Order: sequence, then structure tokens, then C-alpha cells
Amino acid sequence: AAGVIQSPRHLIKEKRETATLKCYPIPRHDTVYWYQQGPGQDPQFLISFYEKMQSDKGSIPDRFSAQQFSDYHSELNMSSLELGDSALYFCASSLNREGTEAFFGQGTRLTVV
Amino acid sequence: AQKITQTQPGMFVQEKEAVTLDCTYDTSDPSYGLFWYKQPSSGEMIFLIYQGSYDQQNATEGRYSLNFQKARKSANLVISASQLGDSAMYFCAMTVANSKLTFGKGITLSVRP
Repeated sequence: AAGVIQSPRHLIKEKRETATLKCYPIPRHDTVYWYQQGPGQDPQFLISFYEKMQSDKGSIPDRFSAQQFSDYHSELNMSSLELGDSALYFCASSLNREGTEAFFGQGTRLTVV
Repeated sequence: AQKITQTQPGMFVQEKEAVTLDCTYDTSDPSYGLFWYKQPSSGEMIFLIYQGSYDQQNATEGRYSLNFQKARKSANLVISASQLGDSAMYFCAMTVANSKLTFGKGITLSVRP
């Protein structure tokens, strides 16, 4: 069965650079979530989209932006990268229906040097 | 706001034995969902089991069962017949109104041969 696809799997960037992370949700899933997991931390919600519209916003820095495209894939854009942005970034998708689990991608490990 | 509490710092279990991972939650919403995810050292987030707040019976999925005690606001994960491959970080999480997942801090489980 198709899963959530994230690219790239690993990314190394220098401070003040920009990064774009991509997420391809499971077909027919209408909701996409982005989470950030720092080293030794639990995942923190960043932002979500339902049917290509932003549905919720969490602790996402102003330097970050995200969008969902007509083909339902989503991109997380990160600018002016800081050392503290080094983390595992997860995308998850689900159906907007009670009782359905969110399926996670394998994550993108971003290292800022 | 929702809150998930996982206070066990780390758990050890002998192979083939059962283990219980604790989780308590807090929410004022009467409708919510409780999830357990497994995160091995490779980093991916694997869905294990789901319990809805209105479910009358405890959820089970193979060797995983969820001991749901609504009055105590607890949702403990029970893993029976532990295997070496069960060694991982385990996160309890919840959603309210099909929204984002709120995670606990996680519990590290180590299975001894």
C-alpha cells in the first residue's frame, strides 16, 4: 500500500540558508500535518492543511511557511535557517474523519551547520 | 488544551514477557482519540493502536492492547510476548475533533534477550 513520501530524507544546510521539504500524502487523504521533532524530544505540531487550505497552526516560526498544492502534495519552506532548526521533520496524512489514524512519512532529517 | 503525560523514564523487559507503558491524558472535550506510536532508532513513526473516547471495549491489535480507563484518564499500552524488535521509543498521543496530534514525551523500551 502507498505510504506518505517525504523528500529529501536527509538535508544539510548552512546557517541563514533556505530549505524546502516535500511531502506526498497517501492518495485520497484530505489532511496533511507537519511536525518538528528535535533531538530527544516529542514531535511538535507546526501546521496542517485540509483540502489544500490551512486548517491549523502550531508553533511554527515566522521564518517557515507551508502550502498544499492542487495535487495534494505539501511543501514546508524554511528560510534564514538557524542551528536550532536541526531536527527531524515529519509529514503525516489522514482522512478528516473521527477514528482515523495519521500515517507518518519517514521524515526528513535536517542538519543546520 | 490537551495534555499527554508519560512519566516512565525508561522501561526494561525480558524477551517473551509482557510490559505495560503508562499514559495519562487531560482534556475537557468529551470526544477524543488516543493513539500509540512506536519510533525505532531509525526514526520513523509507526502507528500501533487507536482508542476512541466512546469506545466501550479496549482496543487490541495483535500483541498490542490498550488498557483504557476513562475515569482515571489513562490509556496504557500493553505489549504481550515482547520481542527484541520492540525496543524503541513509544509515544502516546491524542486528538480532539480530528485535529492535530498532541504527543507525550515518550518512553524508551528496551527488550533484553
